[in-house]
Amino acid sequence: EAGVTQFPSHSVIEKGQTVTLRCDPISGHDNLYWYRRVMGKEIKFLLHFVKESKQDESGMPNNRFLAERTGGTYSTLKVQPAELEDSGVYFCASSHGLEKVKETQYFGPGTRLLVL
Amino acid sequence: AQSVSQHNHHVILSEAASLELGCNYSYGGTVNLFWYVQYPGQHLQLLLKYFSGDPLVKGIKGFEAEFIKSKFSFNLRKPSVQWSDTAEYFCAVTPNYGQNFVFGPGTRLSVLP
Repeated sequence: EAGVTQFPSHSVIEKGQTVTLRCDPISGHDNLYWYRRVMGKEIKFLLHFVKESKQDESGMPNNRFLAERTGGTYSTLKVQPAELEDSGVYFCASSHGLEKVKETQYFGPGTRLLVL
Repeated sequence: AQSVSQHNHHVILSEAASLELGCNYSYGGTVNLFWYVQYPGQHLQLLLKYFSGDPLVKGIKGFEAEFIKSKFSFNLRKPSVQWSDTAEYFCAVTPNYGQNFVFGPGTRLSVLP
C-alpha cells in the first residue's frame, strides 16, 4: 500500500511569490490533514478535510493560505503571497475516517519551504 | 487551550542505556495519546498509541508508554536504546471527540555508539 506522498520535497521561493504544495493521501482515506512546523517550534495543525469538505480550518494562519481538495482525493495548499514567516516544513496526513474518534493518522514526508 | 509538553529538548545517551521521555498534556477530558518518531531524512512514523484499556501500551521497536491519568502523562520508555534509535520523538494528543493532533515540541534523541 502506498503511503502519503507530498510534492515537492523542497521549495525555495522569494517573498511575494506563490507556492503550491500537493498531498496525495493513502487511497481510500477520507480524512486529510495539513500541519506545519516552523523551525524550532512544535508541529501545528492547519486544517482538516473530510472528503472534499473542510471540516476544520481553525489552524490556518491567515487568508494568504488556501487549501483545496477537489474530488476528495489529493489536496493542494497554496500560499499567496509568501512571507518570510511561512518558512517551515508542511506535513500532510491522512486517516480512514471509519472510526471517528480512534483514528491513526499516517504522515507524508513533508515539504520544506524556504521563503527568502 | 489544550497543550502538550515534553520534558527534554535534547537527550544524549550511550547504547544500551535506558530511555524515558516525558510527555504531559493539559486537556482535562478523555484523550487519545500517540508517540510518533521521525528518523533522520524520513517521515513521521507511529510508534504507539493509546485509546483506552490497559494503560501500559507496547509499540514497535521495543518501545512502550504508560498512561497515568492522574498525572496527565504519557511517558515513553525503552529499556535499552540502540544507535538506530537516534531520531526526534513527538508526543501527540487528540481529544476523544476530536481528530486534530496537538503535538508536543519534540525531543531529539542522540544515541552514541
